[in-house]
Amino acid sequence: DIQMTQYPSILPAFVGDRVTITCRASQSISNWLAWYQQKPGKAPKLLISDASSLESGVPSRFSGSGSGTEFSLTITTLQPDDFATYYCQQYFNFSWAFGHGTKVEFK
Amino acid sequence: QVQLVESGGSVVQPGKSLKLSCATSGFGFSRYAMQWVRQAPGKGLEWVAVISHDGSKMYYPDSVKGRFSCSRDNSKNTVYLQMNSLRIEDSAVYYCAKDVYGSGSFADHWGQGTPVTVSS
Repeated sequence: DIQMTQYPSILPAFVGDRVTITCRASQSISNWLAWYQQKPGKAPKLLISDASSLESGVPSRFSGSGSGTEFSLTITTLQPDDFATYYCQQYFNFSWAFGHGTKVEFK
Repeated sequence: QVQLVESGGSVVQPGKSLKLSCATSGFGFSRYAMQWVRQAPGKGLEWVAVISHDGSKMYYPDSVKGRFSCSRDNSKNTVYLQMNSLRIEDSAVYYCAKDVYGSGSFADHWGQGTPVTVSS
């Protein structure tokens, strides 16, 4: 099974900061990676698919990069609405796995 | 617009069974794979099942394989999750989600979730 290691688990930040979350796969998954945002009590929301494709309607301050085993989600100029938990998910070769999540919280 | 509404969650004793349903609307249901993802209280996301658009292929993680079974009725635009031999660690909010492809990849729309509590 492919394991996803996501870090940091908690990311204290200020409004206006640039933040980066990293996800590492235990083996190459090409670019088969998605990023989700989840707020308390709500369902996850798709932000990015195929490692770097921004979902329609998602602000351009969100971006994804990487391929193979190393991936990152960057939020430039963090907004109050961005304080949430973020998950990566691989979907390579009919297997699925989420990272453990990164909570972006107020510093 | 795309809507997914889960139902069937409840409190159940260990070892018992439960069947969840996810009624959908607003998209061509028979063209898309569907997923079940769960989230234990205060924990992260865990995929539970993926079923192909025509129901011919199902995929499960080892944690539920042999106990959970996913099915769909394309005439009713509904996907199901039959959960047998439930364990305390199966307690979670269960989400159904629409895949973007017919065979299984990532999910672009999610339901609001239905809670399952396994407790004696």
